[in-house]
Amino acid sequence: EVHLLESGGGLVRPGGSLRVSCAASGFSFASSSMSWVRLVPGKGLEWVAVVSADGGTTFYAESVEGRFTISRDNSKNTLYLQMNSLRADDTAVYYCAKDQTGWGNFASWGQGTLVTVSS
Amino acid sequence: IVVTQTPLFLSVTPGQPASISCKSSQGLLHTDGKTYLYWYLQKPGQSPQLLIHEVFKRFSGVPDRFSGSGSGTDFTLKISRVEAEDVGVYYCMQSIQFPRTFGQGTKLEIK
Repeated sequence: EVHLLESGGGLVRPGGSLRVSCAASGFSFASSSMSWVRLVPGKGLEWVAVVSADGGTTFYAESVEGRFTISRDNSKNTLYLQMNSLRADDTAVYYCAKDQTGWGNFASWGQGTLVTVSS
Repeated sequence: IVVTQTPLFLSVTPGQPASISCKSSQGLLHTDGKTYLYWYLQKPGQSPQLLIHEVFKRFSGVPDRFSGSGSGTDFTLKISRVEAEDVGVYYCMQSIQFPRTFGQGTKLEIK
């Protein structure tokens, strides 16, 4: 059974940094494209970033480009999202999602981790 | 690609049908012949879950009262007979290009 467990969320001041993680199990992590998707309060779901199975290719939403970095450690079955220069509008629940096909087929999701950016 | 859903809110009596429209600003048909339009549901207090992939293909375990249709830039999710467990926010999402983009979400409540 696929299991994704996010961690690392918390309260951070505007301009600060935070790294969230997603521990994966139950599938071949090194063969799967992975994404981060966030649920913004009062707004809805927003796709944030994707990393290819080998970690060599990444794409980002315009709203986070240049501030966030997605990465993975296939030896540890773990996905990361390094978030720098955080802003109030980055406040959200961050979910990691397994992309079944590499084309946005998010068949499995974690339970999410809350990131709050506030002074 | 901008994805626009209507309506943003639905209130439905159990047993009655429901329909959500999703329109994209560009066509979602890829040269590989597939159309990259997905439907997700986020139930209260839960993570999002995949309902429909590639316009009309129901994901494993999704009841057959859910159906997807459409082509090009216009798509529809239909629930033939709404049940209490269907409450939540429904999102369509395009994935023909990056960045992936979701619609604004349609909140379904039971009357």
